[in-house]
Amino acid sequence: GAGVSQSPRYKVAKRGQDVALRCDPISGHVSLFWYQQALGQGPEFLTYFQNEAQLDKSGLPSDRFFAERPEGSVSTLKIQRTQQEDSAVYLCASSLDIRPTDTQYFGPGTRLTVL
Amino acid sequence: AQSVTQLGSHVSVSEGALVLLRCNYSSSVPPYLFWYVQYPNQGLQLLLKYTSAATLVKGINGFEAEFKKSETSFHLTKPSAHMSDAAEYFCAVNSGGSNYKLTFGKGTLLTVNP
Repeated sequence: GAGVSQSPRYKVAKRGQDVALRCDPISGHVSLFWYQQALGQGPEFLTYFQNEAQLDKSGLPSDRFFAERPEGSVSTLKIQRTQQEDSAVYLCASSLDIRPTDTQYFGPGTRLTVL
Repeated sequence: AQSVTQLGSHVSVSEGALVLLRCNYSSSVPPYLFWYVQYPNQGLQLLLKYTSAATLVKGINGFEAEFKKSETSFHLTKPSAHMSDAAEYFCAVNSGGSNYKLTFGKGTLLTVNP
C-alpha cells in the first residue's frame, strides 16, 4: 500500500521567503508527527497532531513555524521568513492510533536549503 | 526527561562479521525503545521495537536487540553483516503516557567492507 508521501522533495529558498511543506500520511492514520533532521543529526520532534487537533507544538523552534492538519489527513508545515538555520530535512511520520507503542511510518522527507 | 546516547558515530565491519550498534537510554519511566534504519535520501524504516513484552526483540533483515534495564541499554546486533546493511541507524525512546514523540540518538553510520 501507499506509504507516507511528502512534497516537494527538495526546496531551495532565499532567506526571508516563506515556504510550505506538505505531508500525505497513510490513509486512516490518526497520529501525525513532524520532525526536523539537521545534517549529521538524529530527527528532532517539532509537533504532533491527533486527527485535526494539534496536541503538542513544543518542538517548534520559533513563531515563524506553523503547522496545520485541518481535515485530519494532509498536513502542511509552513515556515515564514526563512533563515539559514532552518536548512534541514523535514520528516513527516504517521501512526495508526494514539498508543506510544504504535509504529511511526516516515516519509522520505523534504530537504530545505535556505540561501 | 528522556534521552538516547549512541556510542560510535561510525562503525565499520567486514562482510560476514558481527554487527553491534550500541544504544543507551535515559528515562524516568519504563521506556518503549525503537531502532530505525535510514538509507540515503530515504525516510526512516522501523527495524524493531521493545514494548515491554519479551526483552529480546527480533526485527527485520536478521537484526535483533536486547533490552537490559540494569544497564539502560538496547544494543542492536546482527550475526553476519551484508553489504546491503550499510546505512545509518537510529535508536529512539518514547516514555509513553501523554508523551507520544520519539527522542532519537544522533545515529550510527554502518559501513560494510567486502
